[in-house]
Amino acid sequence: AQTVTQSQPEMSVQEAETVTLSCTYDTSESDYYLFWYKQPPSRQMILVIRQEAYKQQNATENRFSVNFQKAAKSFSLKISDSQLGDAAMYFCAYSHNNNDMRFGAGTRLTVKP
Amino acid sequence: DGGITQSPKYLFRKEGQNVTLSCEQNLNHDAMYWYRQDPGQGLRLIYYSQIVNDFQKGDIAEGYSVSREKKESFPLTVTSAQKNPTAFYLCASSIDAGSGTEAFFGQGTRLTVV
Repeated sequence: AQTVTQSQPEMSVQEAETVTLSCTYDTSESDYYLFWYKQPPSRQMILVIRQEAYKQQNATENRFSVNFQKAAKSFSLKISDSQLGDAAMYFCAYSHNNNDMRFGAGTRLTVKP
Repeated sequence: DGGITQSPKYLFRKEGQNVTLSCEQNLNHDAMYWYRQDPGQGLRLIYYSQIVNDFQKGDIAEGYSVSREKKESFPLTVTSAQKNPTAFYLCASSIDAGSGTEAFFGQGTRLTVV
């Protein structure tokens, strides 16, 4: 079974600084999808960024970017110019087909003013 | 506005009782999912449905049941057989179950056994 590991239960960053959240996964598949979801205190899950495994180029969405290392099975999220509104739980997720989407345990990000 | 609606937001259940959590979507999505969220464990898949009148067990289906009689609706029943039902439950949907598309989530239901 595929597993997703987030080794950082908590992280903190100073406002306007950059922070990187780590994620590793285990799979025997060659074609799959990776996601980062944000869960703010409202508990509404929001998609931050998505990466297709067959694409070598790292996905970018404004201040959010990923470092996708397929051979190492690593998928880290970089948040640049951190804002107070970035404070949330962040979940890394893996999907081969959507019916087996697997989530990591999450990283709680605190942004200090 | 298109989206997923879960109700109620908070639910209290006495031990030994069944309780049903509602999930409705107006996104015209084929696939729907139920996840359970416990502290420190991320989200775990309970059941999923790829199409009306069809559903499959996820990793932790014991003590739960679902139905998918309409495309828009995917209710989850927490039965008395579920030994530790207190948790946060999230419903999600996606266009289909095979393309790696984004899953859209409801706002969740917090279930507490009293």
